[in-house]
Amino acid sequence: NAGVMQNPRHLVRRRGQEARLRCSPMKGHSHVYWYRQLPEEGLKFMVYLQKENIIDESGMPKERFSAEFPKEGPSILRIQQVVRGDSAAYFCASSPTDTIYFGEGSWLTVV
Amino acid sequence: GQQLNQSPQSMFIQEGEDVSMNCTSSSIFNTWLWYKQEPGEGPVLLIALYKAGELTSNGRLTAQFGITRKDSFLNISASIPSDVGIYFCAGQWKGNTPLVFGKGTRLSVIA
Repeated sequence: NAGVMQNPRHLVRRRGQEARLRCSPMKGHSHVYWYRQLPEEGLKFMVYLQKENIIDESGMPKERFSAEFPKEGPSILRIQQVVRGDSAAYFCASSPTDTIYFGEGSWLTVV
Repeated sequence: GQQLNQSPQSMFIQEGEDVSMNCTSSSIFNTWLWYKQEPGEGPVLLIALYKAGELTSNGRLTAQFGITRKDSFLNISASIPSDVGIYFCAGQWKGNTPLVFGKGTRLSVIA
């Protein structure tokens, strides 16, 4: 778990601002997933990426949300023009092939 | 989106008691996973199951992959206070596909 690094751990944004969440997968892992967790809920899949490619974004809202995993550097989940409903914990996970390991999460609060 | 049915939603037990929780799905999964999440942290993988009928232990934890591939259960024996947390089941169709999560079982242990 500790191997997947996410930052920031906590982020406060005003409505209308942008939020950028970063994820560095475990060493040797080329598959990255982003999940969102609302209070008292389970984790909901958002997007699955491999290096430079989005494989599955079926869980990502069509507007304001985007994700990338460049050849060099961390994966970024970007939320533009945040609204109060975006307040949640955002978890990144990585895997080498099958077993998926989660980071400690980024808690976004929109005020 | 698809979600697993996890029960019970919450449990209050005495220290030393055994605990059982389960997860069911309307569709087949080829991998079942059990995670534990503590407040402010990401999910930590407890047990991974890869074959129908498989029974796997990790210390005081035992999990089984249902023979129909549509269910799984997790048992915790002789509970202790540090078992407190939220336990999530997750199903995966195949490697490098997104996990589908249950809503979690919140476990409280009374010393």
